[in-house]
Amino acid sequence: DSGVTQTPKHLITATGQRVTLRCSPRSGDLSVYWYQQSLDQGLQFLIQYYNGEERAKGNILERFSAQQFPDLHSELNLSSLELGDSALYFCASSVVGGKAYNEQFFGPGTRLTVL
Amino acid sequence: GENVEQHPSTLSVQEGDSAVIKCTYSDSASNYFPWYKQELGKRPQLIIDIRSNVGEKKDQRIAVTLNKTAKHFSLHITETQPEDSAVYFCAAGGAQKLVFGQGTRLTINP
Repeated sequence: DSGVTQTPKHLITATGQRVTLRCSPRSGDLSVYWYQQSLDQGLQFLIQYYNGEERAKGNILERFSAQQFPDLHSELNLSSLELGDSALYFCASSVVGGKAYNEQFFGPGTRLTVL
Repeated sequence: GENVEQHPSTLSVQEGDSAVIKCTYSDSASNYFPWYKQELGKRPQLIIDIRSNVGEKKDQRIAVTLNKTAKHFSLHITETQPEDSAVYFCAAGGAQKLVFGQGTRLTINP
């Protein structure tokens, strides 16, 4: 158990809908990262938040957005869902602050199925 | 943009033999190179990492080497066991983000 929690574990919805995925980082970690992993694919970095502020952006679609709250949990919002959005969505957390490197700990993931 | 190439995409070895997975990266500012193991349906788990001021690091049966000049790094697994079967991801980056390779599916044949 990495200490990172994600809810829900599974989510099934229809095209055009909107969903929210939730992540709670490890105690003490200030950074949260979101990744998308499609079937048999690698981990695509979506976005990073550090202490409530957006820090880095990857290949995140305009239909997707995220935020990090004062208690450091994060939510990833996916809207106007398409079939191709079906994937595993992972959240990771790390302590970032004065370190040149970045050890990330992954949550168990949310499996999103869009029908 | 930043890119990490990982090879091979699939690798099959006999139990007890060694396995080597190689990655190259494009961003010369990268200073942190972790390797993750992902079993089917589970989260990626860090197995070893190396920082740019080190050329080699070993932890029991696994080792990682880094060549910053050539911008490539490798994972070596010796005396492979059935439980080593998984998908392995390399990554390169730093304080801001990691860029992952596409993964190598390693199968250990008994």
